[in-house]
Amino acid sequence: GAVVSQHPSWVICKSGTSVKIECRSLDFQATTMFWYRQFPKQSLMLMATSNEGSKATYEQGVEKDKFLINHASLTLSTLTVTSAHPEDSSFYICSATVKEAGPKKTQYFGPGTRLLVL
Amino acid sequence: LAKTTQPISMDSYEGQEVNITCSHNNIATNDYITWYQQFPSQGPRFIIQGYKTKVTNEVASLFIPADRKSSTLSLPRVSLSDTAVYYCLVGPNFGNEKLTFGTGTRLTIIP
Repeated sequence: GAVVSQHPSWVICKSGTSVKIECRSLDFQATTMFWYRQFPKQSLMLMATSNEGSKATYEQGVEKDKFLINHASLTLSTLTVTSAHPEDSSFYICSATVKEAGPKKTQYFGPGTRLLVL
Repeated sequence: LAKTTQPISMDSYEGQEVNITCSHNNIATNDYITWYQQFPSQGPRFIIQGYKTKVTNEVASLFIPADRKSSTLSLPRVSLSDTAVYYCLVGPNFGNEKLTFGTGTRLTIIP
């Protein structure tokens, strides 16, 4: 299947700092990428949909000024957590859609980024 | 997107076949059924996808009855490494549709 990478795999930062997480599609072009957040023992929660060359679409309750998303190319989307606080500590996962044969499209997920804000 | 319901948890012994059923009563005509596997601290991994009847790949089988209101993921001869959370998702595949994850099924394989 298609490969999606994330960098870094984990990050520890001080409260008030900003953290950038990269999501790359390694062997395909992704016009749309998604960003999810997952807290311990919980399911994935969609944060936003990232479209190449346009503004991201955020889910209800997700602050767009706090979670900045940039989809600069067909293989790269970035999520910046601005002024991070301890409650932002979570597991952040991105995904990208690959068009399969026929009408099917499948989402492939990155390995995730563990963020710990002290 | 159609809502899905699946058991919160399941236990099984090594070597057995495991069947995880997912209910999706409100599935739409153009919806596909997709199953993902997630290990702790990893992103979900695509397992299998289907529209109707039966789909099989090297990892699992997916059984979908004619009314498509449920589906069953079948894992043959499970091993300890199959311990994970399994998510059933339903949605259209004609565009870049966002996925809504339910609670998933936490499968524990017992030695």
